[in-house]
Amino acid sequence: DTEVTQTPKHLVMGMTNKKSLKCEQHMGHRAMYWYKQKAKKPPELMFVYSYEKLSINESVPSRFSPECPNSSLLNLHLHALQPEDSALYLCASSQGPSGQETQYFGPGTRLLVL
Amino acid sequence: GEDVEQSLFLSVREGDSSVINCTYTDSSSTYLYWYKQEPGAGLQLLTYIFSNMDMKQDQRLTVLLNKKDKHLSLRIADTQTGDSAIYFCAEGGYNKLIFGAGTRLAVHP
Repeated sequence: DTEVTQTPKHLVMGMTNKKSLKCEQHMGHRAMYWYKQKAKKPPELMFVYSYEKLSINESVPSRFSPECPNSSLLNLHLHALQPEDSALYLCASSQGPSGQETQYFGPGTRLLVL
Repeated sequence: GEDVEQSLFLSVREGDSSVINCTYTDSSSTYLYWYKQEPGAGLQLLTYIFSNMDMKQDQRLTVLLNKKDKHLSLRIADTQTGDSAIYFCAEGGYNKLIFGAGTRLAVHP
């Protein structure tokens, strides 16, 4: 089983709202990732968690706040977003130890900021 | 620096073979990947090749790697309408994937 699940599938929020995206995997993977994908572009890495610790933050604005409560779960908390933050947000996971293992992606959350 | 390049569009007739090409720059990458993305969906891992291999075949998919020229290709035999999607080539860095821009494959009858 190589499944990564993400909820919700779609999200519409105003610029003053606070919302959270959730990602889950039960493959025993120890690295988890958040990517942002704009239309007709490749995914861009936002954050990497390795063994539940934040290891990479690709200079993402503080209105995006990641959290890894345990080895199976990854959240992305959203606050005071801008319309240009509208995108597909993808979660991925990999086994973790070497940092070079295959990444498996979830279906994504399509976010619209009004 | 790290860079992955792909042609942006490929149109093929149903039943023909499709070949999607990719060039990369980081010779230290251990793995190279092909991901497929259908409209509105996430990325599906199609196949990958270890950097010390020349070729990998998996059913209708054949991956060729020319390490000297840093060139990777994906051949899809007997292309079907369900193969219409965007195909991303990616090289594996440390805790990150470096993606190409994606090749949109259109399959017509």
